[in-house]
Amino acid sequence: SQQGEEDPQALSIQEGENATMNCSYKTSINNLQWYRQNSGRGLVHLILIRSNEREKHSGRLRVTLDTSKKSSSLLITASRAADTASYFCATEKGSQGNLIFGKGTKLSVKP
Amino acid sequence: SQTIHQWPATLVQPVGSPLSLECTVEGTSNPNLYWYRQAAGRGLQLLFYSVGIGQISSEVPQNLSASRPQDRQFILSSKKLLLSDSGFYLCAWGRQGVTEAFFGQGTRLTVV
Repeated sequence: SQQGEEDPQALSIQEGENATMNCSYKTSINNLQWYRQNSGRGLVHLILIRSNEREKHSGRLRVTLDTSKKSSSLLITASRAADTASYFCATEKGSQGNLIFGKGTKLSVKP
Repeated sequence: SQTIHQWPATLVQPVGSPLSLECTVEGTSNPNLYWYRQAAGRGLQLLFYSVGIGQISSEVPQNLSASRPQDRQFILSSKKLLLSDSGFYLCAWGRQGVTEAFFGQGTRLTVV
């Protein structure tokens, strides 16, 4: 079963706008990660936020975590056409680094 | 630096034929290794993971098997492919005790 569920499933914006994607999960977590996947390629790790953190920044990325609501959001500011990709949240199952991924949000940034 | 190699990039195989996908990691030792499958437009499903040579854990029952003959080599196999085995297969590695995963570029398998 999916631990993380992203919404929206698809998002289309203009270059320069901000993009916000949300992720909900079901069980308690130690951390939550966001990954990016360009079409037909492997996933690339973007950012990890720990359960005791509420917000984290990395360049144009801002991630928030609300453990009381079991939700996280990924904000990409000043989007670029190169940000076009699918974005997945992932939580850890067990202690062996097994990641449970959501179905992803497909972001399209139009120039 | 560490790198992960996965091949082939694309593969078309007839139903009933065998499968062997290989993944190797360079630049690290004793990594955790993972095989994921991604159906079209969906998230990733963990198929197998390994914490050491010869140690394989399966997450879901299926027509596939995995092996780890060497520390940095992970192989996904099938004796007889089914149509439902079609998908995008991704190999990944991670450090022991660290949750971040590093992915290969994937293999697009089409069973016809």
